[in-house]
Amino acid sequence: NAGVTQTPKFQVLKTGQSMTLQCAQDMNHNSMYWYRQDPGMGLRLIYYSASEGTTDKGEVPNGYNVSRLNKREFSLRLESAAPSQTSVYFCASKQEGNQPQHFGDGTRLSIL
Amino acid sequence: RKEVEQDPGPFNVPEGATVAFNCTYSNSASQSFFWYRQDCRKEPKLLMSVYSSGNEDGRFTAQLNRASQYISLLIRDSKLSDSATYLCVVNMEYSSASKIIFGSGTRLSIRP
Repeated sequence: NAGVTQTPKFQVLKTGQSMTLQCAQDMNHNSMYWYRQDPGMGLRLIYYSASEGTTDKGEVPNGYNVSRLNKREFSLRLESAAPSQTSVYFCASKQEGNQPQHFGDGTRLSIL
Repeated sequence: RKEVEQDPGPFNVPEGATVAFNCTYSNSASQSFFWYRQDCRKEPKLLMSVYSSGNEDGRFTAQLNRASQYISLLIRDSKLSDSATYLCVVNMEYSSASKIIFGSGTRLSIRP
């Protein structure tokens, strides 16, 4: 069972470069999420998609864009990477209602 | 007041001990509750859902107290492998994809 798959696992960028983080889920979930987690801190929601064709801002959307390509895939794009975006990025999905989220194993991103 | 609050710890207990964590939430209309564990630099993994009647999964017991607005997690006969950060998660609205609030986590360290 693949669950939630994120690519790449690791990436190093230079300031100003752009990059897209990919996320796909095979559980037929409607809702998908992008979080970032900084050392010693909790998860912060960047963007989410309640269903195919919709996206909404979370707590920390600045500097990011997202695309819900289809029901399976939800990508996160950094147009002009900044050192402050160095973090671990987690994608998650869930079915509607009182269901838990399922997480991918993360993308570790360093911006130099 | 934070919407979901946890004691950050760290809790440092000997192997075989019983340890309990609490998590308080601010919205009395919250719908569903979960405990996740997160190992260092890994993704959060669902440990258990928390049901109104309380539920048990092996050495783990979860309780919900709606009147006092807290959930708890009890770990009996703790193992070295239980060392992790435990995240309390509250889904505050049934119909909303976005009102999923994570606590900042409680760190648990089990010593031999």
